[in-house]
Amino acid sequence: GENVEQHPSTLSVQEGDSAVIKCTYSDSASNYFPWYKQELGKGPQLIIDIRSNVGEKKDQRIAVTLNKTAKHFSLHITETQPEDSAVYFCAATTSGAGTALIFGKGTTLSVSS
Amino acid sequence: SAVISQKPSRDICQRGTSLTIQCQVDSQVTMMFWYRQQPGQSLTLIATANQGSEATYESGFVIDKFPISRPNLTFSTLTVSNMSPEDSSIYLCSVEIGTGREKLFFGSGTQLSVL
Repeated sequence: GENVEQHPSTLSVQEGDSAVIKCTYSDSASNYFPWYKQELGKGPQLIIDIRSNVGEKKDQRIAVTLNKTAKHFSLHITETQPEDSAVYFCAATTSGAGTALIFGKGTTLSVSS
Repeated sequence: SAVISQKPSRDICQRGTSLTIQCQVDSQVTMMFWYRQQPGQSLTLIATANQGSEATYESGFVIDKFPISRPNLTFSTLTVSNMSPEDSSIYLCSVEIGTGREKLFFGSGTQLSVL
């Protein structure tokens, strides 16, 4: 089955810096890769996703890149702000095949001002 | 997206008791899912709840321990039965929006502590 590895487990940056979180997946059939942000005491919130027919997707300060050949995808946050501090999870799945999202172990991002 | 309400938000329970968690969605959805998030860990799918049929459980989870109801397209319950301290986790309800089984939206979770 699918296995998703996520690095780093913790990341500390200064406000205004960029943050990058990387994930690798094992199943070459996976074709949908979402990212979730979880703040303390809340459920995960979908912040951006990418499908395998696209190499990059941006939404304001957030971008995701996908390298299908290498089977890895990354989350990029630019101009970080203290409110970006949270746990971020990547996930992978084969859409429409009845398989569940497989999540990485999460990255705790701390943005200090 | 959808508004997903979970009750209770947190509870402290005694060993051997059971707790039923409720999940209410503000729109009709076909697929509802229950996840477990153990302290400091990632999310693990417990089961898929489809309206009008038995829930489908993932490896390592059984109906006797985690019975699920799905009486209509907006509501589901998960019961954690005969609890032990190892069941202390966050339990999350999620729903699928859109085609395919990928766009999952989560409720705020139930923080369960078992003494």
